[in-house]
Amino acid sequence: SQTIHQWPATLVQPVGSPLSLECTVEGTSNPNLYWYRQAAGRGLQLLFYSVGIGQISSEVPQNLSASRPQDRQFILSSKKLLLSDSGFYLCAWSVRDFTDTQYFGPGTRLTVL
Amino acid sequence: AQKVTQAQTEISVVEKEDVTLDCVYETRDTTYYLFWYKQPPSGELVFLIRRNSFDEQNEISGRYSWNFQKSTSSFNFTITASQVVDSAVYFCALSEEGGGADGLTFGKGTHLIIQP
Repeated sequence: SQTIHQWPATLVQPVGSPLSLECTVEGTSNPNLYWYRQAAGRGLQLLFYSVGIGQISSEVPQNLSASRPQDRQFILSSKKLLLSDSGFYLCAWSVRDFTDTQYFGPGTRLTVL
Repeated sequence: AQKVTQAQTEISVVEKEDVTLDCVYETRDTTYYLFWYKQPPSGELVFLIRRNSFDEQNEISGRYSWNFQKSTSSFNFTITASQVVDSAVYFCALSEEGGGADGLTFGKGTHLIIQP
């Protein structure tokens, strides 16, 4: 069966520090991968999606970036964190079909101080 | 553009009551998919159900049931005999045919509180 991992689970970082969040998927090949952010107030915002290695699309302009160095690995990064980057970051995967049924990881709670 | 509206921000009921969570969607596509996810306090979004636009049959899974009505663009979720473990934020979501690159459009969620 497929599983999705994210780490770290929680992170507290100072403003201006770099960020690296990692997501890996097991049990499937060639998945679509997604990064979402959920700020206070619960809304989910799609940040990045990837349909293959090295193929990243950004949904919103920001100081975050994403990379997909391997088929089942998705990394979210920042060179300098802002206070507004605080939130709950969720990684998701989906099979490449027409339904886009997405399955989510456990999330990383990021607090920028 | 697609849109999902969950008008109920928060619902609080006493255990064993039935509760319905509303979801209204907008899309120009004739083929689309609707979803419900549950987000318990731990934070992980748990997939509950997917329906496609050609299948309007209602679905029941234990205490959960879903009512899909294309005429009103609604996909409501009912929990029968609610339990404290049902307390969570519930999200309705939509994807249009083609999937993948466009991601899911989520509603803002309904926080369901089941009081013992």
